[in-house]
Amino acid sequence: DAGITQSPRHKVTETGTPVTLRCHQTENHRYMYWYRQDPGHGLRLIHYSYGVKDTDKGEVSDGYSVSRSKTEDFLLTLESATSSQTSVYFCAISESSVEYFGPGTRLTVT
Amino acid sequence: EDQVTQSPEALRLQEGESSSLNCSYTVSGLRGLFWYRQDPGKGPEFLFTLYSAGEEKEKERLKATLTKKESFLHITAPKPEDSATYLCAVQEFYGGSQGNLIFGKGTKLSVKP
Repeated sequence: DAGITQSPRHKVTETGTPVTLRCHQTENHRYMYWYRQDPGHGLRLIHYSYGVKDTDKGEVSDGYSVSRSKTEDFLLTLESATSSQTSVYFCAISESSVEYFGPGTRLTVT
Repeated sequence: EDQVTQSPEALRLQEGESSSLNCSYTVSGLRGLFWYRQDPGKGPEFLFTLYSAGEEKEKERLKATLTKKESFLHITAPKPEDSATYLCAVQEFYGGSQGNLIFGKGTKLSVKP
């Protein structure tokens, strides 16, 4: 258990509304990641962070923003949710060069 | 073109029937290859990291091996509790440091009693 929690675990929202997903870790890991997982695709990296206020884009960053104001929290925001953003979102941390994943958030955009 | 390809997409085994899952990759400079297990509704769970051709790692009924182009996850005498989706990911050297993980689409393993 890498001490990662995600909230909410499930969310249904309407197209055009803003949504923020939270990832919280308890062990002061420097690197944190946001992925999405969809049928027919592997896990795809959205954004990652290598320290407080230090973030960078991943493979599928369009339509997403992130913030990290504290070591323990990494927030993923969908400014205006679209149906194509319906997915399962996973947060991960890196420890000794291995990524460990949280339990996931299932987001449905109607 | 996918950089990481897993095969088969799905595999059904009888309990005790050994088999192998394949992960082939096309990255130019491999830093590491990772295997994860994912149960329905849960996050991926780390199993192994392999760094160089010829390396092997074992855990219970699982053994992972690595060549210059692919990795195999061998499952010996599987049990129903081994049923899960197995994910492979590669990490390449990028600008002198490590790149991000690139995941395959996974192999869904079902083991029937």
